[in-house]
Amino acid sequence: DVQLVESGGGLVKPGGSLRLSCAASGFSFTTTWMSWVRQAPGKGLEWVGRIKTKADGGTTDNGPPAQGRFTISRDDSKNTLYLQMNSLKTEDTGMYYCTTGFGDHWGQGTLVTVSA
Amino acid sequence: QSVLTQPPSASGTPGQRVTISCSGSSSNIGRSFVNWYQQLPGKAPKSLIYSSDQRPSGVPDRFSGSKSGTSASLAISGLQSEDEADYYCAAWDPNGQFVFGTGTKVTVL
Repeated sequence: DVQLVESGGGLVKPGGSLRLSCAASGFSFTTTWMSWVRQAPGKGLEWVGRIKTKADGGTTDNGPPAQGRFTISRDDSKNTLYLQMNSLKTEDTGMYYCTTGFGDHWGQGTLVTVSA
Repeated sequence: QSVLTQPPSASGTPGQRVTISCSGSSSNIGRSFVNWYQQLPGKAPKSLIYSSDQRPSGVPDRFSGSKSGTSASLAISGLQSEDEADYYCAAWDPNGQFVFGTGTKVTVL
């Protein structure tokens, strides 16, 4: 079975940084595009960005909230997806989910709280 | 700010058919597949429909999707209490962005 387990969330002050991880198992991580999606408390889903496979160039595309501040990367040797978030703002508060492809499978999410 | 518009709410009694619309433009739905996701209260979203009208294995055939022009629809036939959830559509836009709809809360009366 596909399993995606996010970690790394927590409380951080505005302007701070955080790195989220997503440990993947149960499928071929190396050949799967991966995405991050977030959800502010009581709000809808928002696409953060995605990373292609190494075979497809390993490039990333970021959604509006991530541009200039967030970086998506992957370590195929560890079957792990990352989201490096810098210059965090209070509006970045929410649950962060990793997904395979374009939302085929979802993790349970990790909560990020940006507050002074 | 989402460019895919959904009604904020929909409701029905058990057994009824409920339809949720997702309105976009020629830049997104008009040239892209549409996915639908279900988010049960307090849970992570899950894939309900992909490629506009395909169901992942395990999704009941009570759920069906369609697309026409710049709009898409999700239909739930034989509504059940466990279908009470938030539903989101999503599609690609020409800038390579994956955009979600505004979301629809389905209530089973």
